[in-house]
Amino acid sequence: AQSVTQLDSQVPVFEEAPVELRCNYSSSVSVYLFWYVQYPNQGLQLLLKYLSGSTLVKGINGFEAEFNKSQTSFHLRKPSVHISDTAEYFCAVSGDAGNMLTFGGGTRLMVKP
Amino acid sequence: DTGVSQNPRHKITKRGQNVTFRCDPISEHNRLYWYRQTLGQGPEFLTYFQNEAQLEKSRLLSDRFSAERPKGSFSTLEIQRTEQGDSAMYLCASSPTTVWLLWGGYTFGSGTRLTVV
Repeated sequence: AQSVTQLDSQVPVFEEAPVELRCNYSSSVSVYLFWYVQYPNQGLQLLLKYLSGSTLVKGINGFEAEFNKSQTSFHLRKPSVHISDTAEYFCAVSGDAGNMLTFGGGTRLMVKP
Repeated sequence: DTGVSQNPRHKITKRGQNVTFRCDPISEHNRLYWYRQTLGQGPEFLTYFQNEAQLEKSRLLSDRFSAERPKGSFSTLEIQRTEQGDSAMYLCASSPTTVWLLWGGYTFGSGTRLTVV
């Protein structure tokens, strides 16, 4: 069984400041890791994914994440946030079966002017 | 292609009534998934189909819930005898089969928000 913990339920940050959203997972098998973003009253949009290879993955909108197997983490970062980045962010994991995503509880990123 | 489409966007129903939601996946995707998302929580897996076959169901899917995907195209999720605890956003997603990982997994619809009063 897999589980995902997003340590911060809310992260307030000023515009143009850097941000890190934390994600830790547990799994007994190899994992594939994902970050999704959800804007109000919308579905989920994929930001980036880690499947294999380089542990630093780059996604859309200037976001990147680093897979750290020893720390079982997949933290999301952006060097300079914009007001438009205000949204809910979800970390998710799937195992070898690859058929079911397990999501964390989400982190609300609030970008202030 | 307009992506994954879900209808209705919102549904308000009285406790005890039955409701049905529809999901139209991306046409070339043969996998279709249902998730439930309650306020302030991450989505929880309910069930998924490959073509018309329902391959996995979560323990969250009680006997009052049923999902179908006739002919392997659109899917419906029915909740019978709704309870207030069923109030949530119901999300549908689709993906291709063999290369879904390379494509980034699921494409999600905008969801159906159910309110049981």
